[in-house]
Amino acid sequence: GENVEQHPSTLSVQEGDSAVIKCTYSDSASNYFPWYKQELGKGPQLIIDIRSNVGEKKDQRIAVTLNKTAKHFSLHITETQPEDSAVYFCAASPNPPTNFGNEKLTFGTGTRLTIIP
Amino acid sequence: SQTIHQWPATLVQPVGSPLSLECTVEGTSNPNLYWYRQAAGRGLQLLFYSVGIGQISSEVPQNLSASRPQDRQFILSSKKLLLSDSGFYLCASTGRLSFTDTQYFGPGTRLTVL
Repeated sequence: GENVEQHPSTLSVQEGDSAVIKCTYSDSASNYFPWYKQELGKGPQLIIDIRSNVGEKKDQRIAVTLNKTAKHFSLHITETQPEDSAVYFCAASPNPPTNFGNEKLTFGTGTRLTIIP
Repeated sequence: SQTIHQWPATLVQPVGSPLSLECTVEGTSNPNLYWYRQAAGRGLQLLFYSVGIGQISSEVPQNLSASRPQDRQFILSSKKLLLSDSGFYLCASTGRLSFTDTQYFGPGTRLTVL
């Protein structure tokens, strides 16, 4: 089955600086890669996702890059703010969400990001 | 968009007692539904998923069971709780209204078994 590794497990960044979280996956059939942000005591919230036909996707201060050859993808947060402090999870799935399929995500172990004011 | 409700929000139960956690989904029909468990400071472990009423797949052997009595209702149960069942339980849903639907999570239930 799929195995997703995520690094680092903890990351402290000065406010205003950039943060980068990296994930690698093992199953070459994976083609959907979401990122979730989880604040303390809450459920994970999807912040951005990317599919295998795209190498990079950006949404304001958040960007995700994908290298299918190397089987790794990364989350980039620029101009970090205190509210970016949370645990971030990457995930991979061989099935993009469809009307017919059952997509199961394999999650990384999470990165605790702390923004230092 | 989807809204996922879970209750209770927190629960403290003695070892050996039964458990019932409920999840309901609004804003979609015929979703795939999932139960995850998250131990303190750890990642997400998929416990069960369901592609339709009465259809349950278990990912890991354990003390828990799941049922889906209605299209948008997913229940996690146990007859006798163990200490190791403590954790943060998350329900998730994948809608089927469009090809761009993705997996959304509920607010979670924090279970403490004493």
